[in-house]
Amino acid sequence: NAGVMQNPRHLVRRRGQEARLRCSPMKGHSHVYWYRQLPEEGLKFMVYLQKENIIDESGMPKERFSAEFPKEGPSILRIQQVVRGDSAAYFCASSPEFGGLMNTEAFFGQGTRLTVV
Amino acid sequence: AQKITQTQPGMFVQEKEAVTLDCTYDTSDPSYGLFWYKQPSSGEMIFLIYQGSYDQQNATEGRYSLNFQKARKSANLVISASQLGDSAMYFCAMRVRGGSNYKLTFGKGTLLTVNP
Repeated sequence: NAGVMQNPRHLVRRRGQEARLRCSPMKGHSHVYWYRQLPEEGLKFMVYLQKENIIDESGMPKERFSAEFPKEGPSILRIQQVVRGDSAAYFCASSPEFGGLMNTEAFFGQGTRLTVV
Repeated sequence: AQKITQTQPGMFVQEKEAVTLDCTYDTSDPSYGLFWYKQPSSGEMIFLIYQGSYDQQNATEGRYSLNFQKARKSANLVISASQLGDSAMYFCAMRVRGGSNYKLTFGKGTLLTVNP
């Protein structure tokens, strides 16, 4: 759904550099979810954030990865010292409230394709 | 833990014919939702259709319908009158009510190719 905006669409980084991926949720949404899609795989949950709070980061690698959703501005997924295995598509979704089963739709942004060379 | 299985890595269909993409799921939670997404070569994830575990009728959205068989834990996607633009990866996903009910669990996908 075009309402969730991610940028950049494509990002190339050399090994050891930092990658910053941005996600602007749909208007009025205060909850953001990040997913990663490795080649030939489905999406896997990484982290769930509300404004200024990390609710669940159980899917995040323990090192080098961090996420934030400040009071103002987009949510940022940050990958420090990237390695080739970080090459993947990173997707963001948003919701207006806690995404229970009553949320029958789940829209994603267009994704950021990270390539580490 | 929840699991989604899509056993067809690739499927072929002739234009204008119907095709069924298989999805089986596993959960002990009686309350859950099932989703199908389309991912064309351009990469975005397009939401297609949703089925709730307590819904009495199978979901339909235009040419898409979901063949929901609860006892068999299957939620197959049926695309009628296939079009060339339907060629894409298709992912089945699930969300359950208990625990972390904001998480979607995805299958590995099926690559559909529509032949002219």
